[in-house]
Amino acid sequence: AQSVTQLGSHVSVSEGALVLLRCNYSSSVPPYLFWYVQYPNQGLQLLLKYTTGATLVKGINGFEAEFKKSETSFHLTKPSAHMSDAAEYFCAVSDLRAAGNKLTFGGGTRVLVKP
Amino acid sequence: KAGVTQTPRYLIKTRGQQVTLSCSPISGHRSVSWYQQTPGQGLQFLFEYFSETQRNKGNFPGRFSGRQFSNSRSEMNVSTLELGDSALYLCASSEGLAEYNEQFFGPGTRLTVL
Repeated sequence: AQSVTQLGSHVSVSEGALVLLRCNYSSSVPPYLFWYVQYPNQGLQLLLKYTTGATLVKGINGFEAEFKKSETSFHLTKPSAHMSDAAEYFCAVSDLRAAGNKLTFGGGTRVLVKP
Repeated sequence: KAGVTQTPRYLIKTRGQQVTLSCSPISGHRSVSWYQQTPGQGLQFLFEYFSETQRNKGNFPGRFSGRQFSNSRSEMNVSTLELGDSALYLCASSEGLAEYNEQFFGPGTRLTVL
């Protein structure tokens, strides 16, 4: 069975500082990987995804993530945090053995941005 | 295009009742997935429908069921509600069944079971 681990349920960063959110996955085959963001009282919005090709993926709002197969990781970064980045972030994997859109999510990391 | 819409946005029910939640996908999207989000268990996959057929199912009891109509709109039903069913229920739509497809999420229905 696939699983996703996000290290740190809460992260506090200062405005302008680096944002680093960690995601490790467990899968028998390299999965497709996603990062979603959830703002209060809203659904999830896709930040970026890795399917094939370049392992460094750029997404919306200045975020990027790097797929490292040897480390089974897909960490999310943003060079300079903005107050609007305060939200909860979810890493997810898609099961390539089950045709369809089933996603397995990590537990989420809530980001607090301090002025 | 309009986004994914879910109705109602909020529901309060009592134990033992049943509830039906509705999801309208983005126009042209044929896949609809449902997820349950709770503080304790996080985001968990319930089921997925494509062309009116259930394609994938998560590990939930039979009290949770769903269906999809010919216009791709979907409903999920929870019978004999339990306190633990209190959650945010999210619906997501996608163009097809490919695993790399982006899923677009609705704002969710917040269900409170008293």
